Amino acid sequence: DQQVKQNSPSLSVQEGRISILNCDYTNSMFDYFLWYKKYPAEGPTFLISISSIKDKNEDGRFTVFLNKSAKHLSLHIVPSQPGDSAVYFCAASVVFGQNFVFGPGTRLSVLP
Amino acid sequence: DGGITQSPKYLFRKEGQNVTLSCEQNLNHDAMYWYRQDPGQGLRLIYYSQIVNDFQKGDIAEGYSVSREKKESFPLTVTSAQKNPTAFYLCASSQQGYAQYFGPGTRLTVT
Repeated sequence: DQQVKQNSPSLSVQEGRISILNCDYTNSMFDYFLWYKKYPAEGPTFLISISSIKDKNEDGRFTVFLNKSAKHLSLHIVPSQPGDSAVYFCAASVVFGQNFVFGPGTRLSVLP
Repeated sequence: DGGITQSPKYLFRKEGQNVTLSCEQNLNHDAMYWYRQDPGQGLRLIYYSQIVNDFQKGDIAEGYSVSREKKESFPLTVTSAQKNPTAFYLCASSQQGYAQYFGPGTRLTVT
């Protein structure tokens, strides 16, 4: 049973528009959530995180929203750029820095 | 430069042979992890270690073994018992309170 789900395997967005990537989780014990970006044949790189005491965290073009009651989080990228084309993984943990559970990923394609 | 190194980037082995993948970190992180990624799938946890000389099985540990004799090193052995060893293997490390950092990965092909 997947504890972290990313139901959209792929997403295409026009350059300059907003990209919204979604993630759902089932374990109510998760308190920390992260987004990673991964290019082919490379390791994932950390993008942004949020803890359950907040409902929004921003870092430049990236914003993560958390709805704990719905067990849902989303990553917004505004404006989207061609270099954002990658696979995005959502991850969750009970203790930050330990034993993250990863979703299956969403492949984002930003079209010029 | 602080980071995680995995070597080699590409590895080829014959079926029936054991192979060991290297992972070294100089971030002084206590915890280290091994994941496997298959085409179109997410990251699946193989083994993790929270501290030297201790490690735990992840979701798909069968056919794999690890050791953690030094804080900076967490090698993964893919044994001949692993039925589908061809995959992209990722090592990561973390410190409590911080995100995981990943190495560049090793693509293992077994024929």
